[in-house]
Order: sequence, then C-alpha cells, then structure tokens
Amino acid sequence: SQQGEEDPQALSIQEGENATMNCSYKTSINNLQWYRQNSGRGLVHLILIRSNEREKHSGRLRVTLDTSKKSSSLLITASRAADTASYFCATVADSGTYKYIFGTGTRLKVLA
Amino acid sequence: DAGITQSPRHKVTETGTPVTLRCHQTENHRYMYWYRQDPGHGLRLIHYSYGVKDTDKGEVSDGYSVSRSKTEDFLLTLESATSSQTSVYFCAISALTASMDTQYFGPGTRLTVL
Repeated sequence: SQQGEEDPQALSIQEGENATMNCSYKTSINNLQWYRQNSGRGLVHLILIRSNEREKHSGRLRVTLDTSKKSSSLLITASRAADTASYFCATVADSGTYKYIFGTGTRLKVLA
Repeated sequence: DAGITQSPRHKVTETGTPVTLRCHQTENHRYMYWYRQDPGHGLRLIHYSYGVKDTDKGEVSDGYSVSRSKTEDFLLTLESATSSQTSVYFCAISALTASMDTQYFGPGTRLTVL
C-alpha cells in the first residue's frame, strides 16, 4: 500500500488543550498537506508545507515537516469543540505524478 | 464545496448491476480524482484524470472504469457492482500548479450494493 500512516488513530481532549497528530509517509515528496473532514462531509484543505520548509503556521495550526524521517505533525492549539473532526495528511510526490496519497486519518474529539 | 457536485448523492443497487457516478466541476481545473472512503482505510485513489480523455489508475482501480469527455465532467462506472464496492465515493479537483496545488472535494456519494 502507498498510504501514509497517522497516529494516533483517535484522540480525545478537553476544550482549550492542544492536539497533536502525526503523519508518516513512504516516498519523496513535493509537498505535504493536511485536510479536515467533518462527519459525513467532503475533506477541506487546512494547510500545505513544501518539502524545503520545516515549519508553517496558520492561525491556531502549526505544521512541521521532517523529510529525513518522512514525517509531519499537526498541532492545533487551544482546541474548540468545533475542531472535532477527522484529520488527514496527504502527500504529493516529487516524481511528476499527479496523485495525492492520503493517510488513514486521526479522529479528534474535543470535549466541551 | 467549491463548485463541485456529485450525483447521485445516495444510491442503493443490487449486485451485478452497472452503476455510474458523476462528478461535475465549474472551476475549469485540469485534474480530477475519484476516491473511495472506507472505515480504517482513509481515502484510497481509484482513478484520476489529468486532462480530457487522459486518465490513469490509482491504488484500487479493479472493477472501476472512468471517462472524461469534457473538462467539467468525470464519470466513474462500476461495470458490475459487488458488495465490496459499498462505500462512500468522493470526487476531487485540483489545479496542480505551482501556486495552486490543493484539492477541493465534492460532497460525496454513498453507495450501497446489496
């Protein structure tokens, strides 16, 4: 399988706490992206980090990328009940293909 | 859902029948994708298109075919549906340029094969 792996598979935290989820992938990449999926809906893009970047911020989101370890992490600070969703990483290979490879996802539950 | 529609949104069919799902976009993006989503597997790529009449297989293409005769439409066909093809199917589009290479997803089609 080409799929990446995410851990944990599920995470439950209290509102106001930080949530960290990790993604590992298998091939050389051009960029890595994180998406959110609310129950029963399509995925929504959150943030993109390119292979030559190590860290990126967007609002309460912080993404890191370690290409030597083929891994990335997504940190959501000061979580809210509305952050309850599944989170997926996706990689775009640097081999000239047009394919996105998605991880298996982390289900985040933020308790009010 | 950024100018992407999927039809039908729900379908129940019987084993052995052909099924066609349609994805329609109004964004004029070059790349279109079909994924299936199953518990424990995340999203898996079925087929994708990089232009009109240009398609290629993804990770789980067996039992599926696609066609793209116009930029805006990408059809996914299950020639003879099986129960293992019960899933939620998502269409996605992407411009895949240097400045725009994120994917935008449709609302999904829930398919049940009895």
